[in-house]
Amino acid sequence: DAGVTQSPTHLIKTRGQQVTLRCSPKSGHDTVSWYQQALGQGPQFIFQYYEEEERQRGNFPDRFSGHQFPNYSSELNVNALLLGDSALYLCASSPDTKYQETQYFGPGTRLLVL
Amino acid sequence: GEDVEQSLFLSVREGDSSVINCTYTDSSSTYLYWYKQEPGAGLQLLTYIFSNMDMKQDQRLTVLLNKKDKHLSLRIADTQTGDSAIYFCAEVRYSTLTFGKGTMLLVSP
Repeated sequence: DAGVTQSPTHLIKTRGQQVTLRCSPKSGHDTVSWYQQALGQGPQFIFQYYEEEERQRGNFPDRFSGHQFPNYSSELNVNALLLGDSALYLCASSPDTKYQETQYFGPGTRLLVL
Repeated sequence: GEDVEQSLFLSVREGDSSVINCTYTDSSSTYLYWYKQEPGAGLQLLTYIFSNMDMKQDQRLTVLLNKKDKHLSLRIADTQTGDSAIYFCAEVRYSTLTFGKGTMLLVSP
């Protein structure tokens, strides 16, 4: 049973460019959340997708957008990249149940903006 | 600022017990989690505790929860060098996780 997978593993971009990161959830999970982890910090919640809709959003600008596909996989898009967007981007999946929302994380995509 | 607080660093000798502490703010959190992150890796779920419990034991791991003081701790018995990593506690708010900054655990031989 594959866990959460993410691609690519590493990415280098320049300021102003756009980037797309991808995530496949754990088998049986239908909810995908994205987190940004800056160096030396804990992960910060970006947004969560369920049934192809953005269900919740953290304190991130509109440059950060996402999508969820019918097979529950998800993309994170960041436009007009800034140096401060350099971070590890983590995807987590969970089953959509009221009583157990444990999130399982992928290995992350490390983004460097030059 | 951070709503979930953790001490930043802990150093122990191999074979000793490690205790990592965390305070959280949202008394309505249903679950509290401990995740482990090794260098260059994602987050590995270690264990979690439901808010109506005060203790949970899972092999070498013991989680203690004090809801009155909003204090959570993770005890690792017989700590090994492979336990060296950053440990994050996290609380659930509206189906999303809020993390502390993490505690770096260094285990020396």
